[in-house]
Amino acid sequence: KQEVTQIPAALSVPEGENLVLNCSFTDSAIYNLQWFRQDPGKGLTSLLLIQSSQREQTSGRLNASLDKSSGRSTLYIAASQPGDSATYLCAVRDGANSKLTFGKGITLSVRP
Amino acid sequence: ETGVTQSPTHLIKTRGQQVTLRCSSQSGHNTVSWYQQALGQGPQFIFQYYREEENGRGNFPPRFSGLQFPNYSSELNVNALELDDSALYLCASSLGGPSGMGDTQYFGPGTRLTVL
Repeated sequence: KQEVTQIPAALSVPEGENLVLNCSFTDSAIYNLQWFRQDPGKGLTSLLLIQSSQREQTSGRLNASLDKSSGRSTLYIAASQPGDSATYLCAVRDGANSKLTFGKGITLSVRP
Repeated sequence: ETGVTQSPTHLIKTRGQQVTLRCSSQSGHNTVSWYQQALGQGPQFIFQYYREEENGRGNFPPRFSGLQFPNYSSELNVNALELDDSALYLCASSLGGPSGMGDTQYFGPGTRLTVL
């Protein structure tokens, strides 16, 4: 059974700092991994999707990497801004069907 | 191109009642998945529909059921509501087959269900 872990549960950083959010998963046989952002009480916004054959994806100030063999992904946020404050969730698509298995998320607070 | 929409936004029910939640897929998408997100937790997969057929189900009891219509919109029905059913219910649409590799799932804003 796939399990996704995100540690720590919460993170507070000053504005301008570069930061890394970690995600680990137990079964390396994944199809892809997706990072999402969730604002309080809202739905999920897809940030980046990494295929199982890829090592990283970039979008603006965001860069996500994938190391399948070690069961890890990182989301790098450059020059963080208060508007980046949200919960960041990673999810893997397992091989049995198309469901996404999510971690509990990391709640990020960027202080002005 | 319209995004994924869900209705209603909020809903309050009492234990034992039944509820129907609705989702309209993003234009052109033929696959809908439903997730339950309890407070402070990640979303949990309920089930998925592909071209009006259920394709994959998570660890949820049969009182959770669904439908997908020819226009690919979808409903989630929950019977005999329990207090633990209180959660944010999210639907996600995507394009492709049931084991589609590489397709991004696009989520709606969710329906907040409170069971008293």
